[in-house]
Amino acid sequence: AQSVTQLDSQVPVFEEAPVELRCNYSSSVSVYLFWYVQYPNQGLQLLLKYLSGSTLVESINGFEAEFNKSQTSFHLRKPSVHISDTAEYFCAVSSGNTPLVFGKGTRLSVIA
Amino acid sequence: GAVVSQHPSWVICKSGTSVKIECRSLDFQATTMFWYRQFPKQSLMLMATSNEGSKATYEQGVEKDKFLINHASLTLSTLTVTSAHPEDSSFYICSAPPVGEYWVNTEAFFGQGTRLTVV
Repeated sequence: AQSVTQLDSQVPVFEEAPVELRCNYSSSVSVYLFWYVQYPNQGLQLLLKYLSGSTLVESINGFEAEFNKSQTSFHLRKPSVHISDTAEYFCAVSSGNTPLVFGKGTRLSVIA
Repeated sequence: GAVVSQHPSWVICKSGTSVKIECRSLDFQATTMFWYRQFPKQSLMLMATSNEGSKATYEQGVEKDKFLINHASLTLSTLTVTSAHPEDSSFYICSAPPVGEYWVNTEAFFGQGTRLTVV
């Protein structure tokens, strides 16, 4: 069985400050890892994913995440956040063709 | 890239009535569709897996007689909430697993979600 732990349910941060949203996973097989963002009353948007290759993956809006197999982590980072980054962020894991298993989510609140 | 279209995006219904939610794969064939439910301020929980041409597989604790899933074709899966009650009010999202070339290229194999409110 797979599981995802997002240690922080809420993360408040001031605008232009750096942020890290933590994600740890548990799996007995090789995994693919994802970060999704959800704005209020909307569906999920894929932010970035790790499938293979370079352990550092980046999104087009400045987020990055690093796959660390030894620590079973896939933390999401951004060096400087904007008000528009306020949203719910979900870390998820999959073995491929299986349903995604989601963490409980982290509410990022950017304060002006 | 792969697109999954979910309809309706929101629905309000009276207690005791049934509501059908459709999920279509627009430019690829989805032999499997996953249905998730998200309660307010909570994560997405897998409800069931629909498979084209066979019965759906339900997760533990999900009532199969209440949440009817039909995968009529390779591009359409439906979830019908029967005899809806206020506690069924939730956000329902469908998802098609990556297939073939879309596994690398897709950025959107989730539907947009359906907000169901039962009054």
